Amino acid sequence: DAKTTQPTSMDCAEGRAANLPCNHSTISGNEYVYWYRQIHSQGPQYIIHGLKNNETNEMASLIITEDRKSSTLILPHATLRDTAVYYCIVRPTNTGTASKLTFGTGTRLQVTL
Amino acid sequence: GAVVSQHPSWVICKSGTSVKIECRSLDFQATTMFWYRQFPKQSLMLMATSNEGSKATYEQGVEKDKFLINHASLTLSTLTVTSAHPEDSSFYICSARGTVYNEQFFGPGTRLTVL
Repeated sequence: DAKTTQPTSMDCAEGRAANLPCNHSTISGNEYVYWYRQIHSQGPQYIIHGLKNNETNEMASLIITEDRKSSTLILPHATLRDTAVYYCIVRPTNTGTASKLTFGTGTRLQVTL
Repeated sequence: GAVVSQHPSWVICKSGTSVKIECRSLDFQATTMFWYRQFPKQSLMLMATSNEGSKATYEQGVEKDKFLINHASLTLSTLTVTSAHPEDSSFYICSARGTVYNEQFFGPGTRLTVL
């Protein structure tokens, strides 16, 4: 599986957009970019995923560069409840048992007043 | 999104006893289930992957005789920690993936403390 690199931590003021970068320069053509987050002492929560095109849902937007070597997760109006560790993961498109989510260290986002 | 539950949410047991953790997909059929373990201030580490009706595939370094996984139905998987010891104390999280949703959905986790 391709490896991802994320900043260890970031701060964001409440109400502002939180932009979380992820580098995945060795991503293969058949690998999706997934974003999950984990609030303290809870299971990870799915946020969004994409292959080539930018994606948006009710939680966030995902911007993938044209060469697919990096992406940015955007939380448009961060709130205190968005404080969590955010994981960027690449995973093959097939759904065999080899297609599993491997977690890195993620970015610890702290939203402040 | 789909809902995955775990039971119990926390458990305390004596060293040498066995503990069973249940993972259920509540509103979808989970063809594949995953078990992760997370130690304090660390990331999630995948322990094993199982398909319904098949034997689990364990990650390198995970003892299959110690961590017994059963995925007998499309909505239930169990992880049994046999002869638990204090070093097995951890946060155990299951995840499920079905045919309708390509994403993996995670349970809330089970905190195991072995005294």
